[in-house]
Amino acid sequence: NAGVTQTPKFQVLKTGQSMTLQCAQDMNHEYMSWYRQDPGMGLRLIHYSVGAGITDQGEVPNGYNVSRSTTEDFPLRLLSAAPSQTSVYFCASSALGGGEDTQYFGPGTRLTVL
Amino acid sequence: GEDVEQSLFLSVREGDSSVINCTYTDSSSTYLYWYKQEPGAGLQLLTYIFSNMDMKQDQRLTVLLNKKDKHLSLRIADTQTGDSAIYFCAERTLNTGFQKLVFGTGTRLLVSP
Repeated sequence: NAGVTQTPKFQVLKTGQSMTLQCAQDMNHEYMSWYRQDPGMGLRLIHYSVGAGITDQGEVPNGYNVSRSTTEDFPLRLLSAAPSQTSVYFCASSALGGGEDTQYFGPGTRLTVL
Repeated sequence: GEDVEQSLFLSVREGDSSVINCTYTDSSSTYLYWYKQEPGAGLQLLTYIFSNMDMKQDQRLTVLLNKKDKHLSLRIADTQTGDSAIYFCAERTLNTGFQKLVFGTGTRLLVSP
């Protein structure tokens, strides 16, 4: 099992550009989510999905879109990048169920918007 | 709303015990977690505790939960330089929907030889 994979590891964008952060998992997990990590603010939930075709907003969804066409993939789209979106982005997945189910995190994508 | 607070920094000497503290506000917490993040890496689950427990021990790790005061702590015995990392507490609550985790700001632990 590769676990949760994210690409790219690093990305630099100019303001207004668009891009897609990729996330994939091979554990057949129903639940997938995107977080952003900013200094002194911990991790904040952007969007999440409880299964293919089902997505919902988290705490900080503005400026981001998601879709979930397959169980394995959960891409995060930035339609028009802004400097405020400079952050480290983590994708996570877990089985749906009780609290014992671990959320597995990807290695992160470090995004800089100039 | 839900809020999880941690102190930002802790420095200890190798071989000492480390205690990382966390407070939360949502009384509907069901599970509370400790994650470790090493430089340049994602988060790794260390341990978790169910809200009806007071204590959980797992090798060098001891988790204490005071539900009345909404206080969670992680004690690392015999701290090693490899324990240097950022430690996040997180809660899963009924109010936020069962699958969501709310994270604290993280505590950076520095272990000096």
